[in-house]
Amino acid sequence: DIQLTQSPSFLSASVGDRVTIICRASQGISNYLAWYQQKPGRAPKLLIHSASALQSGVPSRFSGSGSGTEFTLTISSLQPEDFATYYCQQRDSHPITFGQGTRLEI
Amino acid sequence: EVQLVESGGGLVQPGGSLRLSCAASGFTFSDHYMDWVRQAPGKGPEWVGRIRNKAKSYTTEYAASVKGRFTISRDDSKNSLYLQMNSLKTEDTAVYYCTRDCGALRCNDYWGQGTPVTVSS
Repeated sequence: DIQLTQSPSFLSASVGDRVTIICRASQGISNYLAWYQQKPGRAPKLLIHSASALQSGVPSRFSGSGSGTEFTLTISSLQPEDFATYYCQQRDSHPITFGQGTRLEI
Repeated sequence: EVQLVESGGGLVQPGGSLRLSCAASGFTFSDHYMDWVRQAPGKGPEWVGRIRNKAKSYTTEYAASVKGRFTISRDDSKNSLYLQMNSLKTEDTAVYYCTRDCGALRCNDYWGQGTPVTVSS
């Protein structure tokens, strides 16, 4: 199975900050990586697919990059509604796997 | 508007069975592969399994942790997805989400609100 390791696991930041979350895959997955945002008590929400493609309706302050084994999710200027947990997901091969999550707090 | 609504969760004893349902609307259900994803308390999401569409003969894939115990099925005439869970274990306790596969974009673009399953004596 392909393992995904996110760093950091916990991130403390302020409104207006620029933050970056890293997701590393245990083997190359081309660009078959998605990012999700989850708020307490809610289902995950798709932010980015294909490593860097912004899902419709997602604010442009979110961006993704990377290919192969290292990927990043960047939020250019944090807004209050962005404080949540973020997960990466690999879609290169079965079983589909998720990272352990990055909790972003004020 | 795409909607996925799960039902059927609840409390069940270890070794028991439960059948989850997901009612889909707002899109052509029969065209899409569908996945079940679960999330144990305080943990990240875990993919459970997938069912493909008629064009791909409704073939299925499962996570190793549930293979042989869980069965995914669908009824395209009812726009419904199912997860039959047998021989349940305490570690199957989680919120179970029905999700739509994005197809060539390789993601899960719509998720239901989830239905909680608790396996406990």
